[in-house]
Amino acid sequence: DADVTQTPRNRITKTGKRIMLECSQTKGHDRMYWYRQDPGLGLRLIYYSFDVKDINKGEISDGYSVSRQAQAKFSLSLESAIPNQTALYFCATSDAPPGASYNEQFFGPGTRLTVL
Amino acid sequence: GENVEQHPSTLSVQEGDSAVIKCTYSDSASNYFPWYKQELGKRPQLIIDIRSNVGEKKDQRIAVTLNKTAKHFSLHITETQPEDSAVYFCAASLGYSTLTFGKGTMLLVSP
Repeated sequence: DADVTQTPRNRITKTGKRIMLECSQTKGHDRMYWYRQDPGLGLRLIYYSFDVKDINKGEISDGYSVSRQAQAKFSLSLESAIPNQTALYFCATSDAPPGASYNEQFFGPGTRLTVL
Repeated sequence: GENVEQHPSTLSVQEGDSAVIKCTYSDSASNYFPWYKQELGKRPQLIIDIRSNVGEKKDQRIAVTLNKTAKHFSLHITETQPEDSAVYFCAASLGYSTLTFGKGTMLLVSP
C-alpha cells in the first residue's frame, strides 16, 4: 500500500546538535508538510511544500529548516537543537490540486524527538 | 490567519452514550472542515469532513454539523464504544490551502 514513512522513529540528542528528520512517501502526492505535536497544543505547522521547487514557512518555523529533495522526500532539520524542541514530529502529504475544495492529509507514523 | 478553538479538551462518557465535540473558527472564508482521530501512539487519520456548501454529513455513527453564520462546527458520535477512545482534532482551511488545527479533545469511553 502507498504510504508515508518517517525516519528515525525515535531520537534522543543533546542541546546544540544538528538533527535531520526524514520523510518519504509512495503516494505520489505533490504536497508535503511538517507538523509538531505537543500535549495540549494540537498540531502546529512548521513548513510545507507544494512541489519540489516550492518551500513555505508555517506557523512555527523559527529554529527549523527543510529540504525537498524530490517529489517523494521532504526533510526537516534542526540546526542547533534546544530542549523546547522536544516533541512528536509528523510529516503529512496531500494530493489536493490547486482550486480543490478539500485538503485531506495523510500522516506518517511520527518521530519522537527528545533534546536533552 | 485562521484560528480554531476546540472544546472540551477532555470528555469522558459511558459506553453507549453520545459524545459531542465543538469547534469555532475565525476566518469566514474557510470552507473545508475535517476531523482527525488519533489513537494512542498512532498517526492522525481523517474520519469525516464537511465542506461549506452543506450543513450536515453523516457516516454511520459519526456526524458533523456546520453553522457558517456562527462559524462553528461539531462532531457527533452516537452509541460510543471503547474503541472510540482517542484524541480528536478539528481543522479548518480555505479549500486546498493549509489546515489550521484545534488543540484536540481526548475522548475516553468507559465500558
